[in-house]
Amino acid sequence: EPEVTQTPSHQVTQMGQEVILRCVPISNHLYFYWYRQILGQKVEFLVSFYNNEISEKSEIFDDQFSVERPDGSNFTLKIRSTKLEDSAMYFCASSDGSQGANYGYTFGSGTRLTVV
Amino acid sequence: QQQVKQSPQSLIVQKGGISIINCAYENTAFDYFPWYQQFPGKGPALLIAIRPDVSEKKEGRFTISFNKSAKQFSLHIMDSQPGDSATYFCAASLNTGGFKTIFGAGTRLFVKA
Repeated sequence: EPEVTQTPSHQVTQMGQEVILRCVPISNHLYFYWYRQILGQKVEFLVSFYNNEISEKSEIFDDQFSVERPDGSNFTLKIRSTKLEDSAMYFCASSDGSQGANYGYTFGSGTRLTVV
Repeated sequence: QQQVKQSPQSLIVQKGGISIINCAYENTAFDYFPWYQQFPGKGPALLIAIRPDVSEKKEGRFTISFNKSAKQFSLHIMDSQPGDSATYFCAASLNTGGFKTIFGAGTRLFVKA
């Protein structure tokens, strides 16, 4: 079964440092998303991406965050200057859009980001 | 209002019993209501989903009941098994003005053997 692949599985970074979280969505999928989950809490929407541009972003997705699809296969989330409160599990997801953009995501296994 | 309220926060069910998780929403523009199952250390996985023009959808032991007028929907897990022990998230999606899915807070289900 096709998978969404995320790397690294765990990243530890110093506060103020830049991090890039990487995702390889399923190859024929057209819609891409980043969500985050603070330990034991709800899954929170960050950003959706379609046709090489951001479709929608949440209040969490401020100027410190950016997304890119640099080469047609990877989908990255960059946090420019990490804060302690950015510590969370970050999930990438994709959907093929055959029934609509949001109709059934496939999530990756996540990257656990720890800011120290 | 784009919140989805989910209850209970946790649920313990005997093997073979019925697990019921409830969700409520406010925004009538939501047009797709999926349920996701998450095991520890894994991403959420789509379990079953319904659109608001249908009142019930069943897939195996999993059934969604949808009440459009009350703006509520629920997941029923029949003949619950220990392997069903996981966190379940209800969600609601908007396809207008951007693409996003709003998740409920999650229900931790434990099925006792």
